[in-house]
Amino acid sequence: DTAVSQTPKYLVTQMGNDKSIKCEQNLGHDTMYWYKQDSKKFLKIMFSYNNKELIINETVPNRFSPKSPDKAHLNLHINSLELGDSAVYFCASSQTNYGYTFGSGTRLTVV
Amino acid sequence: SQKIEQNSEALNIQEGKTATLTCNYTNYSPAYLQWYRQDPGRGPVFLLLIRENEKEKRKERLKVTFDTTLKQSLFHITASQPADSATYLCAPNTGFQKLVFGTGTRLLVSP
Repeated sequence: DTAVSQTPKYLVTQMGNDKSIKCEQNLGHDTMYWYKQDSKKFLKIMFSYNNKELIINETVPNRFSPKSPDKAHLNLHINSLELGDSAVYFCASSQTNYGYTFGSGTRLTVV
Repeated sequence: SQKIEQNSEALNIQEGKTATLTCNYTNYSPAYLQWYRQDPGRGPVFLLLIRENEKEKRKERLKVTFDTTLKQSLFHITASQPADSATYLCAPNTGFQKLVFGTGTRLLVSP
């Protein structure tokens, strides 16, 4: 019954690896987002998709690539992981100009 | 540059009192502003949205004000309870479907 679900919850991986995080929402929202929360708890937007179209692409390294196969899914693929990528990644969804519903986060640790 | 400022120091209050949190922003004019609550290890939870043409919004014990001249929003929790202890995030929109989050203020309500 979870509204926004992301998997996995924890991800520990070595530098240089490629990994993906998946997100699904069952709220019928038209927009989905990826946010990164660093160790200082600052929540920064990375990407946003509205009806499967990329509408926000912040200054994020090319190693990060979002993919939205349909309105209910937004995945995040990260190539060549670096130590600085360690953070909590949150997926969220919303209807246009309304409050966001966040997932519970994926804690990525790069060793 | 665009900036969102919230008190970085924790706010400690006694149960039953009113907590007031401040959010100041500079260099842009948001069409709306949202407030979220975040508990440790969890995703932010949407509380209230206030639009630029609204001065005040209420929901149960919560009240938000929005002063577009002062570029400030105040968030009040009346009759605070220990269960209200959390980090509260202010998030003005800075473009179409784009929320930028402040660093949050930690609220501690003691019995």
